[in-house]
Amino acid sequence: SYELTQLPSVSVSPGQTARITCSGDVLGENYADWYQQKPGQAPELVIYEDSERYPGIPERFSGSTSGNTTTLTISRVLTEDEADYYCLSGDEDNPLFGGGTKLTVL
Amino acid sequence: EVQLVQSGAEVKKPGESLKISCKGSGYSFTSYWIGWVRQMPGKGLEWMGIIYPGDSDTRYSPSFQGQVTISADKSISTAYLQWSSLKASDTAMYYCARPLTPSRRRNDAFDIWGQGTMVTVSS
Repeated sequence: SYELTQLPSVSVSPGQTARITCSGDVLGENYADWYQQKPGQAPELVIYEDSERYPGIPERFSGSTSGNTTTLTISRVLTEDEADYYCLSGDEDNPLFGGGTKLTVL
Repeated sequence: EVQLVQSGAEVKKPGESLKISCKGSGYSFTSYWIGWVRQMPGKGLEWMGIIYPGDSDTRYSPSFQGQVTISADKSISTAYLQWSSLKASDTAMYYCARPLTPSRRRNDAFDIWGQGTMVTVSS
């Protein structure tokens, strides 16, 4: 089996740039998606196919992939961006979520 | 409006059976996969499996194969997740989700999510 590795937590101040990474061998062969989950809510799609922003998602959110690492970048972070972020990738027979990163906006 | 509406919270005892549902509306239910995702209390998301209601093609994550059964009734636009014998470790929030496009690609992004069904298994 394979894994997608995310740092458990990232902290930034409002207005700064947050970078959340997800690493795994499958990322070199499959697209990655990013989901935002706030407490008590269902996940929401933020980025799909590595870098496509889902409609309604602010331009401050962007995604990129290089080799076996995919990165979600949030520019000019707002307090409302504080949430858990999960990557999802893998082949058709076994997509897998990363362990999640809690973004704290100090 | 495209939406998935899940059945309500359940409290069960170990060994009991359970079937929770996810009803799609506002789109062609038979043209999109429906996936199930588990979230144990305080933990991350886990991809469980997926069904194509058009022909009932069903795939499971190796972690969940044999532990749950995914099914669908296209006549009422509803997908199901069921257990034959619940364990305390099945306590979790369960989400259904629909992929972004009506393709046959099983690893497409999920853009429509149900509100979740909380399942609590306790003696």
